[in-house]
Amino acid sequence: QVQLQQSGPGLVKPSETLSLTCSVSGGSISHYYWSWIRQPPGKGLEWIGYIYYTGSTTYNPSLKSRVTISADTSKKQFSLKLTSVTATDTAVYYCAVKDGGNDLTFDHWGQGILVTVSS
Amino acid sequence: EIVMTQSPATLSVFPGERATLSCRASQYVSSNLAWYQQKPGQAPRLLIYYASTRATGIPARFSGSGSGTEFTLTISSLQSEDSAIYYCQQYNDWLPYTFGQGTKLEIK
Repeated sequence: QVQLQQSGPGLVKPSETLSLTCSVSGGSISHYYWSWIRQPPGKGLEWIGYIYYTGSTTYNPSLKSRVTISADTSKKQFSLKLTSVTATDTAVYYCAVKDGGNDLTFDHWGQGILVTVSS
Repeated sequence: EIVMTQSPATLSVFPGERATLSCRASQYVSSNLAWYQQKPGQAPRLLIYYASTRATGIPARFSGSGSGTEFTLTISSLQSEDSAIYYCQQYNDWLPYTFGQGTKLEIK
């Protein structure tokens, strides 16, 4: 049973870089699509991007210029970096994966971290 | 971008009755459609994928149907714990993968 534990700061200043990490337990990171999804307060869900176990990445075109997703398989972690943040990037950020499938749905989620962009 | 439109925005149903939630895609997504349930303060929970396949541990009262651009989530015999926001998500080849705006289900 895969479990995802997120870590990272809950407050980021405008124009700086948001950095979050997702630690994987109970399964191997060497499979599947490992995604980041966000949800502004009181709003819907937005897929940010994923890293495939091969290391290839795919991003939401609307965020592509500012997003980097990477993985450290030795630590069983994958990470999100979002540069030049503004108040519109304030959201709960989730890491997520589909355990046992190669489709882009998500049956295991991290606990979510509310990241507020404010000076 | 494929726009997912859910209806109604809010649905209020008595316990034991059936709820029918709709999701329409602006372009063809085949059967690459999932449904999620989200309760306040929690991460979403996968209910249905490939339009009609229940995820592990999901009760049989949740069922999905549809293909192409029109999809339905049916919850039969509603229970109080089904009160939540329900989202559809398309994951066809066209980026980005997108979610609907959600349907809030209230149990009377």
